[in-house]
Amino acid sequence: QQQVKQSPQSLIVQKGGISIINCAYENTAFDYFPWYQQFPGKGPALLIAIRPDVSEKKEGRFTISFNKSAKQFSLHIMDSQPGDSATYFCAASWSAGANNLFFGTGTRLTVIP
Amino acid sequence: NAGVMQNPRHLVRRRGQEARLRCSPMKGHSHVYWYRQLPEEGLKFMVYLQKENIIDESGMPKERFSAEFPKEGPSILRIQQVVRGDSAAYFCASSPGPLGQQNTEAFFGQGTRLTVV
Repeated sequence: QQQVKQSPQSLIVQKGGISIINCAYENTAFDYFPWYQQFPGKGPALLIAIRPDVSEKKEGRFTISFNKSAKQFSLHIMDSQPGDSATYFCAASWSAGANNLFFGTGTRLTVIP
Repeated sequence: NAGVMQNPRHLVRRRGQEARLRCSPMKGHSHVYWYRQLPEEGLKFMVYLQKENIIDESGMPKERFSAEFPKEGPSILRIQQVVRGDSAAYFCASSPGPLGQQNTEAFFGQGTRLTVV
């Protein structure tokens, strides 16, 4: 059973555009939601993370929007650049006794010049 | 400050051989996690260890797979009698404390790509 569902599977965006990746979860115990960026042949790197005490978190061109009632969260990449082309994974975990992260299936983003 | 170091980066094994994957966590990190990534899929949790202890191995296959994190040295993921289906990228992550605590993040290594021929 996939604990975190991610869409779309792939995304093509023009340079300067906004990339939006969505994730949904079922387990209401989740209270930590990170996003990871992975380039080919590399390990996932933490990009930005949010906890449900806020509905939005922004770091540079990257923003997480969180909707607790809908159990959804999304990553927005503003002014997308070719260097942003990578696979993005959302994940979720919980604070109390968390042992691991539950990952989405990934979104392959391609930013075309 | 070196990140999480995994070796080897690539490993080729024939069916039936043993594979040993090593992970040295970041300095100051005593919590280690192993994940497996199949092509075009997300990462799947395998096992969580602290020094000398396996805390959660709920994601480990029941047979042929084992993990350790000794008092000295790296964490080892061991796969005995490998089969074609074991071909995947295996990632190790480390954290300074249990995940979920405020400001506790997991940092990943570059992975070991295992190919079983």
